[in-house]
Amino acid sequence: ELKVEQNPLFLSMQEGKNYTIYCNYSTTSDRLYWYRQDPGKSLESLFVLLSNGAVKQEGRLMASLDTKARLSTLHITAAVHDLSATYFCAVGHQTSGSRLTFGEGTQLTVNP
Amino acid sequence: SAVISQKPSRDICQRGTSLTIQCQVDSQVTMMFWYRQQPGQSLTLIATANQGSEATYESGFVIDKFPISRPNLTFSTLTVSNMSPEDSSIYLCSAPRSGGFGDTQYFGPGTRLTVL
Repeated sequence: ELKVEQNPLFLSMQEGKNYTIYCNYSTTSDRLYWYRQDPGKSLESLFVLLSNGAVKQEGRLMASLDTKARLSTLHITAAVHDLSATYFCAVGHQTSGSRLTFGEGTQLTVNP
Repeated sequence: SAVISQKPSRDICQRGTSLTIQCQVDSQVTMMFWYRQQPGQSLTLIATANQGSEATYESGFVIDKFPISRPNLTFSTLTVSNMSPEDSSIYLCSAPRSGGFGDTQYFGPGTRLTVL
């Protein structure tokens, strides 16, 4: 059974600081997704990571994937208040990569 | 990016009744997915809606409780049957951008269901 764990679950940080969110998963997968969810909203796709060593960056967010360690990271650089949201990682099942198992989510609050 | 719409956006229902949620995608996709997000929780996959065949349900979800239809490649419905307050959740449908390998999975805006 595929299990996905994120940490931390809650993160409060100051503007301008850097931090990393971790996503561990239990079985082999060939794709990993990162999503953002604002309160009362649906999910916004941030990144799709498909291969070992994949790194993608968009603005202040950078995601990476290590399939051997079954670990993905979402790194936040010089955080700003607008990044406050809940971030989810989701892992595709090996038999059907479009079926996703989600992590618990990381609720990020960036304080001025 | 795929555009996914859902109806209704929210509803308040009485215990014991049923609600059907509609999901429309702006392009043809092979698979569509239904997820549940309970209050303050993460998302859990309910089932995969396959066009031309029966839906595939995840462990803990059954067809009698969550019947799904998939009449064509752009539309699906999820019915929440015989509702109880524990069914109060956000229900989201999802589809890949083009149905192929490695595509981004897009999500609809969700249907916020409250059961009294």
